Amino acid sequence: EAQVTQNPRYLITVTGKKLTVTCSQNMNHEYMSWYRQDPGLGLRQIYYSMNVEVTDKGDVPEGYKVSRKEKRNFPLILESPSPNQTSLYFCASSVTGGGQPQHFGDGTRLSIL
Amino acid sequence: GQSLEQPSEVTAVEGAIVQINCTYQTSGFYGLSWYQQHDGGAPTFLSYNGLDGLEETGRFSSFLSRSDSYGYLLLQELQMKDSASYFCAERDDKIIFGKGTRLHILP
Repeated sequence: EAQVTQNPRYLITVTGKKLTVTCSQNMNHEYMSWYRQDPGLGLRQIYYSMNVEVTDKGDVPEGYKVSRKEKRNFPLILESPSPNQTSLYFCASSVTGGGQPQHFGDGTRLSIL
Repeated sequence: GQSLEQPSEVTAVEGAIVQINCTYQTSGFYGLSWYQQHDGGAPTFLSYNGLDGLEETGRFSSFLSRSDSYGYLLLQELQMKDSASYFCAERDDKIIFGKGTRLHILP
């Protein structure tokens, strides 16, 4: 089954404790992206990747890191999480950039105390 | 900067037609996508307009006018399951989403 898989689905942690949210897709997509979703603000892009070893900042990259060492994986790293990073996070992938449909993971709800 | 504006809420009656508008101000505009998101779920792709005009997919249609920096999503024969949030999105490599329109459907 074609899918984007994120882990964990839920996480409660404390300020300053490094964490990684994993994202994996099995569709051989070149483009992958991370979003955060906050009430009233919609989806905001954090980082995106056009292909392996190619990453770029979206609209709200501060406090986040990503890497794209393999085509299928695109982890999101919070080196020193803070409470303002409490949010719902989505990973997505598509064949390429442009107007190609994005396939979203089920989301990760992150709470930072 | 880039921005997309859409109404925050729209209410319609089951069986009716509803239009959700999206106006944009972006540089280097490439095209407009639409996504649906049910409460507690992930966004799912509905349609994409790369060129001006109407794209039809079943009960859903989407329209784009580049000269007016405007697009809309048209939902026909509304069903209760269409109650959701709808997002327009402009994309090149970097993707900008509107803040979403919550569609309420009355029986």
